[in-house]
Parts: sequence; structure tokens; C-alpha cells
Amino acid sequence: DQQVKQNSPSLSVQEGRISILNCDYTNSMFDYFLWYKKYPAEGPTFLISISSIKDKNEDGRFTVFLNKSAKHLSLHIVPSQPGDSAVYFCAARNNDMRFGAGTRLTVKP
Amino acid sequence: DTGVSQDPRHKITKRGQNVTFRCDPISEHNRLYWYRQTLGQGPEFLTYFQNEAQLEKSRLLSDRFSAERPKGSFSTLEIQRTEQGDSAMYLCASSLLWTEETEAFFGQGTRLTVV
Repeated sequence: DQQVKQNSPSLSVQEGRISILNCDYTNSMFDYFLWYKKYPAEGPTFLISISSIKDKNEDGRFTVFLNKSAKHLSLHIVPSQPGDSAVYFCAARNNDMRFGAGTRLTVKP
Repeated sequence: DTGVSQDPRHKITKRGQNVTFRCDPISEHNRLYWYRQTLGQGPEFLTYFQNEAQLEKSRLLSDRFSAERPKGSFSTLEIQRTEQGDSAMYLCASSLLWTEETEAFFGQGTRLTVV
């Protein structure tokens, strides 16, 4: 039961431009959404989150937007840097936490 | 280092053998989660504990899998009679009880290869 979906397996952007990663969910009981970043051979590391009562949360170059009616959230990274190249996972929380399949972001110098 | 630690980092085993993985969460964290990740997929939920109580188990957790957290601190995940399809990265995470702005912290995972 794929309750969290990331439909773009990969994204490539130029350094300095905006990266937009998308995520859709199906379970309206999710009350909190998170983005994790993962490098090879490491566990996911927390990046940014948003409560279901908000529609935007910003932390430096990273902003997460939530559209509850569309059950959609997105992560914006601006400006993108080569060090941002990693796999990004969207996660949604109820009693436990469910993940999307991830989007591999490549930022080209 | 007060992060989540997992042991071993890598495990190669023959099909049919039993394996056990250990996870030590961040010390004050009540919740502990196990996930499995295969290539090209996101972490798939297996089970979670609140203190020593196992509160939820995924359908992915067949009867060959068992997890324990006997004293509400470290946890073990055992796979009996391993199969090649069990080859994956097994991730452990821990968190405080869910409140506003609570995130889970992951360990570096145990990579299991069944040959």
C-alpha cells in the first residue's frame, strides 16, 4: 500500500537554479510531513518538516510547501548546490512513518 | 556519539541461516522503528516500539521475522531461515513520542546479503 508517492525517480538541475521535488500522499490521517536526504551507504538524515496545519515552512535554502486539499507537498531548494546531490525521501507521519521511493537529485556545476 | 547505532554494518549469510541485528537508539527516545530498504526504493516500514511494547507490525514482517525491545532500550531484529529476497538494507530509527516538530533519527543501517 503505497501511501506516499514520489513519481520522479530523478531530477537534474544546474547549480544556482531551483530544485523542486514533489510528493503525493493518499492517507488524510497523516499529520506531519518530513523530507530526508540520503547519501550512499548512510542512513537518511532529517532535512525539513511541516505540520499539517501549516502550508509552508522555510529553513535557509530549503522550503517545504503543503497543499492539503491536493494531498501534495513539495521541497524547494534555492539556490541548488552540487553538495545537494543526493536521494531525497518524502515521509508522512501518523502513528508510524511512511516513505516515498525517493528522488535522486543531481546538481551540476 | 549519541546517535542511533546499528550492528553489524554488513552481514553476509548463507540461505537458510538465521541472522540477528542490533539497534541502539538515542538514549532518551521512547520510540524505535525498523525499516527495510531495497535498491531504488524508499524505506519500507516493518515495525515500531514504544518503550518495550511492539505497537505495529507491517504485513512485510513475515513469521520468519521477529523484533524485540526487552527493556525499552536497544532492539534486535532476527530473521530466521533467510532467503535471497531478504537481502536489503535494514534501517533502525528512533524518536521521542510524536509531538509537533518531532523527527526520527536513523542509524547507518545493516546491509544484509543472503547468498
